[in-house]
Formats: sequence, C-alpha cells, structure tokens
Amino acid sequence: DTEVTQTPKHLVMGMTNKKSLKCEQHMGHRAMYWYKQKAKKPPELMFVYSYEKLSINESVPSRFSPECPNSSLLNLHLHALQPEDSALYLCASSVRGEGVMNTEAFFGQGTRLTVV
Amino acid sequence: EDQVTQSPEALRLQEGESSSLNCSYTVSGLRGLFWYRQDPGKGPEFLFTLYSAGEEKEKERLKATLTKKESFLHITAPKPEDSATYLCAVRNAGNMLTFGGGTRLMVKP
Repeated sequence: DTEVTQTPKHLVMGMTNKKSLKCEQHMGHRAMYWYKQKAKKPPELMFVYSYEKLSINESVPSRFSPECPNSSLLNLHLHALQPEDSALYLCASSVRGEGVMNTEAFFGQGTRLTVV
Repeated sequence: EDQVTQSPEALRLQEGESSSLNCSYTVSGLRGLFWYRQDPGKGPEFLFTLYSAGEEKEKERLKATLTKKESFLHITAPKPEDSATYLCAVRNAGNMLTFGGGTRLMVKP
C-alpha cells in the first residue's frame, strides 16, 4: 500500500475562516511534507516533518500552521488566508531512518483550496 | 542552491511517435532523482527513482536514464493515455526535494 490520503478534496473558505487540511499515511514513513502547487507550476515545498518534529519551514507565512500529532498524521491549519493562497495543497511522505537512504516521496491527491 | 530544469516545456506527439524528455540538474549531494507523472488536479504519481550515473529503469512504454548532469525519460510508441505532465525532482543530502518545471506531454490519436 503506497497510499497517502488527504481530506477534504476541495475546500472553499473566506478570508476570516479557520480550517484544517488533513493527511494520513500508514506506510510507516517518518518523513512527511506539505507542498503548495499553483496551476501549471511545480510543487513548492512548505514544511518537512521528520520523526514528528518540524525540520524544515520554507519561510511560510504564519497564517499556515502545520501540526504532526503522530507518525501517521499531518495537519495544516489555515487562518486568515488571502485569495492568492488559493492552490492545490499536496501532502507527501517518504521513508526516513538511521542508515536508510531517503527514498521517493509518495503524494496524496491534494486538497484544492479556494479562498474567497 | 539546487536547480532542476526540464525541457521542453510542452511536447505534442502523434500516437506511436517516440521521443525523450530532458531533466538537467545541479544538486549538492544527490540522494536520488525521481520522475513523477501528474494528471490535472491530481497529486504526482511516482514513476522511477535513479540513484547513480548509468542507472536505467523501465516501466511499460517509459524508460528513465541518468548521467551526472541530466536524466532522460524516453517514451516509446506513446498512447493518448500517456498525456500528462511529467515532473523531475532531485533530493539533496539535506533531504530537500526540488522539482523542475515539468513537461506537458500531449499525445494525439
């Protein structure tokens, strides 16, 4: 099973709303990622969690707040977003461990976010 | 800074017309080069991992090769269902994954 599950698939939110994106994997992967993708552009890295700890934050605005409650779950909390934040948000995971070569990242199907 | 450049940006082929997609890269400590296929509105689907120069991987009509500076994705006798955006990405020693801009492939029947 190489599945990464993201919910919801689509989300429309106002600029004053608070919402959360969820991501789940049961492959035992200990590295999890959030990416943002605009139309006809490649995915852009936002955050990396390694062993449930935030290891990389690519200077993402504080209106995006990641959380990794356990090794299978990754959340992205959204608050006071702007219309330009509308995009496809992708979650990914990969194997990570002592002596283990980092492998490919498996992606979820994404959440299509529209900020109105 | 790691850089990944894919060419061409878009490629139109007739069904059965073989071709290659290019991915040129510079990376600090390559820990893998990855090819993904992405359909509109969907997440990238993993295709191949290549770790060292000279390595080749095949899957159906696709074959990926790797040198020290670039990778090629060869498509043999493509079908319309191969139409998608193909993304190349490299991982560096710091576990950062950098994507290229992608090649939009359109295969006409």
